[in-house]
Amino acid sequence: QQQVKQSPQSLIVQKGGISIINCAYENTAFDYFPWYQQFPGKGPALLIAIRPDVSEKKEGRFTISFNKSAKQFSLHIMDSQPGDSATYFCAASKRATGNQFYFGTGTSLTVIP
Amino acid sequence: KAGVTQTPRYLIKTRGQQVTLSCSPISGHRSVSWYQQTPGQGLQFLFEYFSETQRNKGNFPGRFSGRQFSNSRSEMNVSTLELGDSALYLCASSLWVAGGYNEQFFGPGTRLTVL
Repeated sequence: QQQVKQSPQSLIVQKGGISIINCAYENTAFDYFPWYQQFPGKGPALLIAIRPDVSEKKEGRFTISFNKSAKQFSLHIMDSQPGDSATYFCAASKRATGNQFYFGTGTSLTVIP
Repeated sequence: KAGVTQTPRYLIKTRGQQVTLSCSPISGHRSVSWYQQTPGQGLQFLFEYFSETQRNKGNFPGRFSGRQFSNSRSEMNVSTLELGDSALYLCASSLWVAGGYNEQFFGPGTRLTVL
């Protein structure tokens, strides 16, 4: 059972455009929601993360929007650049029980110059 | 500060064999987690070790096992390999702080191919 569902599977955006990736979760006990970025041949790297008591978090061109009642959160990449082309994973965890993270299936983002 | 290192980076085995993968966490990190990454399933949690004890375990068969040493280095073992075990195995370490938002740092992974 996939505890975190992610869409779309792939995304093609023009340079300068906005990339939007969506995730939904089931377990209301989750209290930490990070997004990871992975380039080919590399391990995932933390991009940005949010707590459920915050509805939005922005770091540079990257913004997480969080809707607790809908159990959904999304990543927005503003002014997308070719260097942003990578696979993005959302994740969720229950901090009290350790570092067991539940990941979405990933979104392959391609930014066309 | 050195990142998470994993050895070997690539491995080819045949069905029925067993394999041991190694992970050295970032210095000072006591939590080490293992994930299996495949194109269809994404990242699936295998287990987490903290201070030499398995703290969490994912939904994988008993053929998958692990351990952590006193220096926080960790190994995972897969016995009786099956074709479906072909995957990228990722190790992640974290500076565990109770109640905190603990970032996980991933290694580059070990690419296992089972023939």
